[in-house]
Amino acid sequence: EAQVTQNPRYLITVTGKKLTVTCSQNMNHEYMSWYRQDPGLGLRQIYYSMNVEVTDKGDVPEGYKVSRKEKRNFPLILESPSPNQTSLYFCASSRLAGDTQYFGPGTRLTVL
Amino acid sequence: KQEVTQIPAALSVPEGENLVLNCSFTDSAIYNLQWFRQDPGKGLTSLLLIQSSQREQTSGRLNASLDKSSGRSTLYIAASQPGDSATYLCAPRDVNTGFQKLVFGTGTRLLVSP
Repeated sequence: EAQVTQNPRYLITVTGKKLTVTCSQNMNHEYMSWYRQDPGLGLRQIYYSMNVEVTDKGDVPEGYKVSRKEKRNFPLILESPSPNQTSLYFCASSRLAGDTQYFGPGTRLTVL
Repeated sequence: KQEVTQIPAALSVPEGENLVLNCSFTDSAIYNLQWFRQDPGKGLTSLLLIQSSQREQTSGRLNASLDKSSGRSTLYIAASQPGDSATYLCAPRDVNTGFQKLVFGTGTRLLVSP
């Protein structure tokens, strides 16, 4: 089944404890992206990747890192999480940048 | 900077009604526009993608229209069912950002009652 998977689905952590949210797609898509969703603000792009080893900042990149060493994986790294990073995170992928985007199930992160 | 507005923010209708969800965007230089539905606690499901050169796109009971020059798109749902209850999001993709980013509205929350 073609899909985008994220792990973990739920995470509660404390300020400053480094964490990684994984994202994987099995559709051989070149483009991948991370979004966060907050009430009243909608979905906002954090980082995106046009292909392996090609990443760039979205609208709200502060406090996040990404890497794209393999085509299928696009992990989101929070080096020192803070409470304002409490949010619902979505990974998405598409064959190319302008094509239909497919979203993962989301990761609900709480930073205490 | 592209801004997207969806009206109404919430809508409650009885089963069987035809309904229209509205999406407006400020920058008409878009490459395409995608409609999604989001169920509570779940991810986004792509419904339709309409290219800037298209006026309409249809999938089953769903029909999306696009008027790029006026910065508007509508999602028409025919014969609504309780299973259509969800939040509907529209997201244009700007030409100026190199097609790489969807800009989302805050959605219309739809409740279809039996």
